[in-house]
Amino acid sequence: DIQMTQSPSSLSASVGDRVTITCRASQDIRNDLGWYQLKPGKAPKRLIYSASNLQSGVPSRFSGSGSGTEFTLTISSLQPDDFATYYCLQHNLYPRFTFGGGTKVEIK
Amino acid sequence: QVQLQESGPGLVKPSQNLSLICTVSGGSIDKSGYYWSWIRQLPGKGLEWIGYSHNTGSTYYNPSLKSRVTISVDTSKNQFSLKLTSVTAADTAQYFCASYKWIRGPYFDNWGQGTLVAVSS
Repeated sequence: DIQMTQSPSSLSASVGDRVTITCRASQDIRNDLGWYQLKPGKAPKRLIYSASNLQSGVPSRFSGSGSGTEFTLTISSLQPDDFATYYCLQHNLYPRFTFGGGTKVEIK
Repeated sequence: QVQLQESGPGLVKPSQNLSLICTVSGGSIDKSGYYWSWIRQLPGKGLEWIGYSHNTGSTYYNPSLKSRVTISVDTSKNQFSLKLTSVTAADTAQYFCASYKWIRGPYFDNWGQGTLVAVSS
């Protein structure tokens, strides 16, 4: 099983802050990773696919980087609409997905 | 706008079977290329992938649950279901239904609100 360790599990930040979330894989997953934003009652939003590709329609303040075992989601300037829970999701051994533990981004 | 809504018992006794239904509204479950899936979140933990049923009839289950899980689609009711047999307290979780297509990786476009299931006598 591929384990995904996501950190931090939660963070408090202010509008305009730069936010970084990390996912570490227990083995090499190449770039088979996406980042999702989840809000209660709303459809999930894929922000990044293949580790570093910005999903069409997603603001450019979101970016992803990494390959192999270490991955990062960065929000360059946090906006009010960005307060949500973020998950990484690996699909290297598809269809056996593994999610990260999630990061809840809250207003400071 | 497609919406997914889970329904089922909030409390199940140990050793019994858990059955949940996901009702799809605002669109057809018979859409080409879609994977109808279940995911759960154990208390204080991250999300765990349970498995899917594809509209071709193929299914896939998480190996850790494979012997106890069945996911099936009922196109006549526009629903899909999860059956988990012989539950224990370790199956206490929030259960979500979700749909995705494969577009440069899994593209989840709908996700239910989740239903909390407790396993307790």
